[in-house]
Amino acid sequence: QVTLKESGPGILQPSQTLSLTCSFSGFSLSTSGMGVSWIRQPSGKGLEWLAHIYWDDDKRYNPSLKSRLTISKDTSSNQVFLKITSVDTADTATYYCARREVYDYDWYFDVWGAGTTVTVSS
Amino acid sequence: QIVLTQSPAIMSASLGEEITLTCSASSSVSYMHWYQQKSGTSPKLLIYSTSNLASGVPSRFSGSGSGTFYSLTISSVEAEDAADYYCHQWSSYPTFGSGTKLEIK
Repeated sequence: QVTLKESGPGILQPSQTLSLTCSFSGFSLSTSGMGVSWIRQPSGKGLEWLAHIYWDDDKRYNPSLKSRLTISKDTSSNQVFLKITSVDTADTATYYCARREVYDYDWYFDVWGAGTTVTVSS
Repeated sequence: QIVLTQSPAIMSASLGEEITLTCSASSSVSYMHWYQQKSGTSPKLLIYSTSNLASGVPSRFSGSGSGTFYSLTISSVEAEDAADYYCHQWSSYPTFGSGTKLEIK
């Protein structure tokens, strides 16, 4: 059974760096083709993809946020991390991690974590 | 980036009614995926690669489309279908539609 679980600081102040952890089980990020993304959702709003990391450590970022994002992984501990620098109130959201699945050279998210809520406030 | 436009933003349906939600892409995409998000929960994969039902999804859900126009149909709406529905593509990098809220009358 594939599961993912996000964890984060809950609340932080503007200009700080947000550090998030995605702990997963049921698959390995050392397996060819595997990948995990971070996606966020402000309360009452839609979904925004942030970043993706592949099994081979290749990384992709949302162009509009790329300068502030860093995604990384620890394959041995089954964790994926995301750092967002210089946060402000617009970064207040629920942050999800999700596993990428592939079908006919196309990709989608087949399993999502429950999400962790992050509030940026002074 | 490819922008996905979903319509309607809000749909109100009666039990047993057949409804169709649409998703229009700003450029042609190969496939579209759909997620269902019930209040207070994370998105759940509903349909992948345009028309394939995810595991455990009832057969009243179906998807179709090609190019820039895709749709999600519920053949007979049930109370448990009340949720937000999002389309998603991953041609260049992932983007999501703005969502359709389905309310049950």
